[in-house]
Amino acid sequence: GEDVEQSLFLSVREGDSSVINCTYTDSSSTYLYWYKQEPGAGLQLLTYIFSNMDMKQDQRLTVLLNKKDKHLSLRIADTQTGDSAIYFCAERSWGKLQFGAGTQVVVTP
Amino acid sequence: GAGVSQSPSNKVTEKGKDVELRCDPISGHTALYWYRQSLGQGLEFLIYFQGNSAPDKSGLPSDRFSAERTGGSVSTLTIQRTQQEDSAVYLCASSLVVAGSGNTIYFGEGSWLTVV
Repeated sequence: GEDVEQSLFLSVREGDSSVINCTYTDSSSTYLYWYKQEPGAGLQLLTYIFSNMDMKQDQRLTVLLNKKDKHLSLRIADTQTGDSAIYFCAERSWGKLQFGAGTQVVVTP
Repeated sequence: GAGVSQSPSNKVTEKGKDVELRCDPISGHTALYWYRQSLGQGLEFLIYFQGNSAPDKSGLPSDRFSAERTGGSVSTLTIQRTQQEDSAVYLCASSLVVAGSGNTIYFGEGSWLTVV
């Protein structure tokens, strides 16, 4: 069956880089996504990567995909206090998104 | 509309009552999804629509849950005889198509349901 796993918590100092990791099991996944959820809010799409790509960069965000190992990561450069949130990894082959449990990122001054 | 719109944003209901949650997707989006997020939990898939059809309703937790979509636009999620374990945030999302290019999924702010 499909399964997406993430570490549950990450603490990072302001100004440092954050790296959030995710593994998935569905080899037929075509798109992989990162969403951000701030307290009391819905999900905000941060970025996504197509499965035939290895890397995608978008301003402070870098997504790395290792399709062989089914490993996805999100790097946030120069992490700010506004980056404190829960980050969800999701994979999709057809139809629904399958989400991980989310990684809570806490940015400390 | 500019984004996915959900109503009500907050709903408190008594155990045993029925509730209806509404989702208005982004204009032109053919695919619509419902997810549930319980306190401290991840996102649980409920159902998705392609047009007015629901190819995958495997995530509906019980027969008390149903959803429909009319006119390829607005969808309603109905929970009958609500139970306390139904308390959660119900998130709706939409995408232009189900798969292929342009299938980015955008979420609404959610409907917060509390069953007392």
